[in-house]
Amino acid sequence: QQQVKQSPQSLIVQKGGISIINCAYENTAFDYFPWYQQFPGKGPALLIAIRPDVSEKKEGRFTISFNKSAKQFSLHIMDSQPGDSATYFCAASIKRGTNAGKSTFGDGTTLTVKP
Amino acid sequence: DAEITQSPRHKITETGRQVTLACHQTWNHNNMFWYRQDLGHGLRLIHYSYGVQDTNKGEVSDGYSVSRSNTEDLPLTLESAASSQTSVYFCASRADSKDTQYFGPGTRLTVL
Repeated sequence: QQQVKQSPQSLIVQKGGISIINCAYENTAFDYFPWYQQFPGKGPALLIAIRPDVSEKKEGRFTISFNKSAKQFSLHIMDSQPGDSATYFCAASIKRGTNAGKSTFGDGTTLTVKP
Repeated sequence: DAEITQSPRHKITETGRQVTLACHQTWNHNNMFWYRQDLGHGLRLIHYSYGVQDTNKGEVSDGYSVSRSNTEDLPLTLESAASSQTSVYFCASRADSKDTQYFGPGTRLTVL
C-alpha cells in the first residue's frame, strides 16, 4: 500500500513557466511534509517543508500548497529556470511516537525546464 | 564542516557475495537511515536507527542488516547479494527534535 502518491512522473516546462507537482497521502497521522530536490549523481536535499497547521508556505520561487481535508499537497515552482531541472520527491513523516522521523517518499518527478 | 559520507561510491559484486556499504556522519546525529532508490520507486526505507545499539527494519529489509556500535556510523550489509539488490543506496541522518534529514551522496551497487 503506497502511502504517498506523486504525480506526474515527468514534467517538461518552458523557462519562465510554472511547474506544479502533486502528492496525495493516506495516513492522517502524518504531520510533516517536506519536498526534496535531487540532481543527477547527488543525494536528495531538503527544498521546502510544511506542517499541516498552515495551508501554504512560500520560499522564494518555491511554494507548497497544503489541503488537509483532501490529504493533498503540491509544489509550485514559479518562473522555472533550467537550473531547476532535477528530480523532486515529496515525503511525509510523523513527528512523535514509535515511527517518529521515518519518512515515506513519493516516487519522484523528473522536471526538465527548457530554455 | 559537518557532513555525511558514503563509501564506496560505486561497487560491482557477484551474486552470493557479502557486501558492506559504509555510512559516516560527523553531525553527532542520533537518527540514521538507509534507503534504496530504484527507477519508478522513489526512496524506500531499508533499516533505521535511533541511537547506538538501536536498529529497526524498514519496508524493504529482507536480505539486509545493519549494526550501530557508535553514533557516527551505520554500515549496511548485504548478507548474500542478489541481482534484485542492484540499486543506488542512500544513507541519511537527522538530529533529535529536528525534522530535516541530511542525505549522503549515495552508493551505486551493481550485482552481477
